[in-house]
Amino acid sequence: AQKITQTQPGMFVQEKEAVTLDCTYDTSDPSYGLFWYKQPSSGEMIFLIYQGSYDQQNATEGRYSLNFQKARKSANLVISASQLGDSAMYFCSLLPRIYGGNTPLVFGKGTRLSVIA
Amino acid sequence: DTEVTQTPKHLVMGMTNKKSLKCEQHMGHRAMYWYKQKAKKPPELMFVYSYEKLSINESVPSRFSPECPNSSLLNLHLHALQPEDSALYLCASSQDVGHLNGYTFGSGTRLTVV
Repeated sequence: AQKITQTQPGMFVQEKEAVTLDCTYDTSDPSYGLFWYKQPSSGEMIFLIYQGSYDQQNATEGRYSLNFQKARKSANLVISASQLGDSAMYFCSLLPRIYGGNTPLVFGKGTRLSVIA
Repeated sequence: DTEVTQTPKHLVMGMTNKKSLKCEQHMGHRAMYWYKQKAKKPPELMFVYSYEKLSINESVPSRFSPECPNSSLLNLHLHALQPEDSALYLCASSQDVGHLNGYTFGSGTRLTVV
């Protein structure tokens, strides 16, 4: 069975500071992908960053980076220089067997991030 | 075109009404999905279409009826809904069900059942 755990229901961060959102996962598949999505109050799910299980380097996309520790099965999202517009719900998700599998995306429960001016 | 378009954005319907949600993508994706999301909860998978065939139905009540008329369109037909069906309904697409590029989501339809 595939599982994603996000233990922080809510987080606060000061504007311009960095913040880390935690994510641990469980899968028996050797190949998988990890994705982070942002969901503002308007509802759309915005793709932020992707990490493949065989990727040697941690993924980075602008102010977003993923701290991938495969042995610990963790994929924490780091947001640098937080902005007020970063206030949203953040979902960590797992896609098992990315090379030809048939299992859909599995979501964690999410972390609500609030950026304070 | 890298978008998934959902219409309508908002829908209010009575328990005896019949309505449909529409989802469209022109990225050549062959997998499409319906998710239901209640407030402060993660999205819950409802249906998966792969190459226009229903491949996963997560034990969804029959008052929700999906349809995939072609590779670009996905509909969700609603009939005799209950107030607890009020939620955000998200459509998503991907190149294939397990493709490493992940999913592209639409902006959702906020459904209220009265």
